Amino acid sequence: GQNIDQPTEMTATEGAIVQINCTYQTSGFNGLFWYQQHAGEAPTFLSYNVLDGLEEKGRFSSFLSRSKGYSYLLLKELQMKDSASYLCAVKDSNYQLIWGAGTKLIIKP
Amino acid sequence: SAVISQKPSRDICQRGTSLTIQCQVDSQVTMMFWYRQQPGQSLTLIATANQGSEATYESGFVIDKFPISRPNLTFSTLTVSNMSPEDSSIYLCSVETGTTEAFFGQGTRLTVV
Repeated sequence: GQNIDQPTEMTATEGAIVQINCTYQTSGFNGLFWYQQHAGEAPTFLSYNVLDGLEEKGRFSSFLSRSKGYSYLLLKELQMKDSASYLCAVKDSNYQLIWGAGTKLIIKP
Repeated sequence: SAVISQKPSRDICQRGTSLTIQCQVDSQVTMMFWYRQQPGQSLTLIATANQGSEATYESGFVIDKFPISRPNLTFSTLTVSNMSPEDSSIYLCSVETGTTEAFFGQGTRLTVV
């Protein structure tokens, strides 16, 4: 079966750095996505990785290792507004998105 | 990019009734996706709606329970039929444009009592 694992919940301090890990086992791979979802809202796109390495976009970076089936989302200079769930998703061989359950990130002052 | 207008944003329905959720996209898209998300859970794909053909349903979802219409390239509806409390969830429509990312409607929070 297809599976995406990410921690259920993480806590971090405002101004700090946090890394959210994601491991995946899918039938084929056509890219990995990170989405942010605030409570009661729809997911919004953060990043996309299809090749190994680090993609940086402002305070957010995403890393991919296809050989290890592993990705992480790195959030720097945390702000209170970063409190949200972060969803990892992979496109499989049929280009269908397979979603992780999401990591709820709690930011404390 | 794509902007999706989804309605209603929320509803409270009696068991045994049906609710139709609408999604309007500001551009023409080939495929639209309907998801269900239960509290604290992942997004679960219900079906893929293609214009001009019958929707493709995922395992565990059937057309009689979740009929879908796709009359044109900018609009789709999902009906939740003969509702029970187990259908209480957030329902989301989504599209993927020429780029790789998915765009979502605002979601419909359904409570069945």
